[in-house]
Amino acid sequence: KAGVTQTPRYLIKTRGQQVTLSCSPISGHRSVSWYQQTPGQGLQFLFEYFSETQRNKGNFPGRFSGRQFSNSRSEMNVSTLELGDSALYLCASRFDRGGTEAFFGQGTRLTVV
Amino acid sequence: QKEVEQNSGPLSVPEGAIASLNCTYSDRGSQSFFWYRQYSGKSPELIMSIYSNGDKEDGRFTAQLNKASQYVSLLIRDSQPSDSATYLCAVKGPLNAGGTSYGKLTFGQGTILTVHP
Repeated sequence: KAGVTQTPRYLIKTRGQQVTLSCSPISGHRSVSWYQQTPGQGLQFLFEYFSETQRNKGNFPGRFSGRQFSNSRSEMNVSTLELGDSALYLCASRFDRGGTEAFFGQGTRLTVV
Repeated sequence: QKEVEQNSGPLSVPEGAIASLNCTYSDRGSQSFFWYRQYSGKSPELIMSIYSNGDKEDGRFTAQLNKASQYVSLLIRDSQPSDSATYLCAVKGPLNAGGTSYGKLTFGQGTILTVHP
C-alpha cells in the first residue's frame, strides 16, 4: 500500500514569490493535515481538510491556504513568501476525521532566499 | 505553559539499556496520544498510539498513559544505536472554538535520543 506522497521534495524560491505544494494521501484516507516544521518552533499545525472542506486551522497568516480535491489529494499555497517561511512542510493523512492515527509524507523542504 | 512538553534532552543511553521519554500535556480533555520517531532529515514515523490509561506494549516499545496526571511516556527496552533519533510526543487537540479538534495534533518540542555502543 503506497504511503503519503508529497511533491516536490525540495524547492528554492525567492522572497515575494508564491509556492504550491502537493500531497496525495494513503488510498482510502480522506483527512489531510498540513504541518510546518522549523528548528525554532518545532512542528506546528497549519490546517486540516476532510471531504474537500477545511475542518480546522492553525495560527498562521492568511498567506497560507490550502484546498482538497474530490480524490482527497490536497494542495497548500503560500503567497508572498518571506524568509521565515523556510521550513519542512509535512502532510499527514488519516482514515477519518477523528481519532485515528496519522501518517506523514516525506515532506517538502522549502527554502526562501 | 506549553500545551505539550517533553523532558529536556538530549538523552544518552548505552546500548541495551532502557530509554525513558516523558511528556506532559495541558488539555485535560485530550483523548488520543501518539509517539513519533524522526530521524535526521526525515519525516516523523508513527511508532505508538495510546488512548486508555495504563500500558501498551509493542515489541521493545511500551507507552504509558496517566490521564489524571496528564502524563504519557515511552519506554524503549534493549535500546539499539538504530533507535537514535528525535522522539516526538503528539496529543490530539486542543479543542477549537467549535468544540472539536478533528485531526489536529499538537506536538512537543521533541527529545533527542542517542544510543551509544
